Amino acid sequence: DQQVKQNSPSLSVQEGRISILNCDYTNSMFDYFLWYKKYPAEGPTFLISISSIKDKNEDGRFTVFLNKSAKHLSLHIVPSQPGDSAVYFCAASAIGGNNRKLIWGLGTSLAVNP
Amino acid sequence: NAGVTQTPKFQVLKTGQSMTLQCAQDMNHEYMSWYRQDPGMGLRLIHYSVGAGITDQGEVPNGYNVSRSTTEDFPLRLLSAAPSQTSVYFCASTSGSRGYTFGSGTRLTVV
Repeated sequence: DQQVKQNSPSLSVQEGRISILNCDYTNSMFDYFLWYKKYPAEGPTFLISISSIKDKNEDGRFTVFLNKSAKHLSLHIVPSQPGDSAVYFCAASAIGGNNRKLIWGLGTSLAVNP
Repeated sequence: NAGVTQTPKFQVLKTGQSMTLQCAQDMNHEYMSWYRQDPGMGLRLIHYSVGAGITDQGEVPNGYNVSRSTTEDFPLRLLSAAPSQTSVYFCASTSGSRGYTFGSGTRLTVV
């Protein structure tokens, strides 16, 4: 049973526009959420994170929004650039357990077209 | 450059062979882990370690062994390779800030 769900396997966006990647979770014990970016033949790279005590975290072009009541988070990339084309993974960790054990979504492949 | 180094990058094994995937980090991170990535399955945790001398199982530990004799190294051993272990393997480490640093991966094929 997938506790972290990324329901869109792929997304295509024009350069300069906003990319919105979505992630849903089912476990109310999750208290920390992370986004990773992965290029082919490379390991995932940490992008941005958010604690459950916040509803928004921003880092340059990347903003993560958390809606705890809906158990939903989203990653906004503005403006999108061709170099952002990659697979984006959402991950979560739970309160009380080993907080370094992450539960991962299956990823969304983003294509930013010039 | 500081980071996580995995070797080899590619490996082909015959069913029943054993091998060790190497992982080393130079960031003095306490926490290290091994993941495998399969199409449609995302990243699945195999084993992890919270410090030298301490290891524990993740979601999919069967067929794999680990040890952590030093802070820097966390090798993953395949005891008797099976075709189901064909995958891309990633080693990762963190200091506990919850942002992992990943290695570039080992692509393993078992025939």
